[in-house]
Amino acid sequence: AQTVTQSQPEMSVQEAETVTLSCTYDTSENNYYLFWYKQPPSRQMILVIRQEAYKQQNATENRFSVNFQKAAKSFSLKISDSQLGDTAMYFCAFIKNQAGTALIFGKGTTLSVSS
Amino acid sequence: DAGITQSPRYKITETGRQVTLMCHQTWSHSYMFWYRQDLGHGLRLIYYSAAADITDKGEVPDGYVVSRSKTENFPLTLESATRSQTSVYFCATRSGRGAVLYNEQFFGPGTRLTVL
Repeated sequence: AQTVTQSQPEMSVQEAETVTLSCTYDTSENNYYLFWYKQPPSRQMILVIRQEAYKQQNATENRFSVNFQKAAKSFSLKISDSQLGDTAMYFCAFIKNQAGTALIFGKGTTLSVSS
Repeated sequence: DAGITQSPRYKITETGRQVTLMCHQTWSHSYMFWYRQDLGHGLRLIYYSAAADITDKGEVPDGYVVSRSKTENFPLTLESATRSQTSVYFCATRSGRGAVLYNEQFFGPGTRLTVL
């Protein structure tokens, strides 16, 4: 069975600074996808970034980037130039590249950005 | 262009009552999912469906029933609500087609259910 672990229940950062959220996962699969979702106080689940396991290059989306270490089964999210609107809960999620499977989520990290 | 809608957005009920949470999508995605979100647990899969009339259990299915007579609807029923089912419920879809988006899921706005 696959598991996803987020070891930081809460983090805080000042505006304009950089913060890194940690995620590790356990799987015997070789073909899978990893995601970071953001959940602001509105509760909406918003996809931040995705990474295909077969790609060595780390994914980047504007201020968000990941450090994907496949051998170490690590998938951290770096937020650069943090903004107040980044305040949210962040979930790391894993899915096998196989029909009929669902996302497996970590327990989440609550990020607070202050001015 | 609503995507995924869930109703109601908020619901308060009493122990022992039957409650149905609705999920509707406008994309005709093959796969639909129900998750519950609880503090300290993240999101956990309750049930999912690969197509109309095809459903299967997830990690925490006890006390829940689903059906999918039409591709666009995937209702979740709590047959006899318990306090432990107080949670936020999310419906999600996945297209099942296309290499890049195959594994991306799209989430509804969630339903906050309180069982007294």
